[in-house]
Amino acid sequence: RKEVEQDPGPFNVPEGATVAFNCTYSNSASQSFFWYRQDCRKEPKLLMSVYSSGNEDGRFTAQLNRASQYISLLIRDSKLSDSATYLCVVHTFSGGYNKLIFGAGTRLAVHP
Amino acid sequence: GAVVSQHPSWVICKSGTSVKIECRSLDFQATTMFWYRQFPKQSLMLMATSNEGSKATYEQGVEKDKFLINHASLTLSTLTVTSAHPEDSSFYICSARVPTGRSDSYEQYFGPGTRLTVT
Repeated sequence: RKEVEQDPGPFNVPEGATVAFNCTYSNSASQSFFWYRQDCRKEPKLLMSVYSSGNEDGRFTAQLNRASQYISLLIRDSKLSDSATYLCVVHTFSGGYNKLIFGAGTRLAVHP
Repeated sequence: GAVVSQHPSWVICKSGTSVKIECRSLDFQATTMFWYRQFPKQSLMLMATSNEGSKATYEQGVEKDKFLINHASLTLSTLTVTSAHPEDSSFYICSARVPTGRSDSYEQYFGPGTRLTVT
């Protein structure tokens, strides 16, 4: 089983749509959680951290359920510029070292 | 956010040669940097953790003698791919940890990546 699992997509949605991405992680000792965005042939960029209380940044809302080991990202009012791959990332302290474990990413394509 | 740079952004080399990639933190000091590799349509895979002033920690399956890491200062880590082969062709990305101000909480910022092609 992969440490971080995501639906690879692609999600093809029209502008203005609301889309939700899900992610599960296997290590219950994981400490921090993030969503990154990666455009084609570019480096990942931090979109938002995910806190237990949930957090919102404009059109983006992230939720964490530690009991279910589940993370979600909701994008409202999708824009063309939201088209990218969204990476679910889990920070784990394992074997004495801090590590970021990446999911394979979910591709989003927003069309006019 | 914090800025991390990489050089070169792309490189083509012949099989058997060595290639050095630099990763710099431009506006902060980074005691810990990370090196990742990403093959097409795959996720980032952590190769090693680079610690300033000490030896790097390599992930299982990554050859330390092939991927030499040096973290000589608080703003520079280098990855040298020795005796490169075509299967080493990939997108190499470094990142650096930045404290968020919350207890034991960090964010990671990534360099723009280096695309290596070995012919």
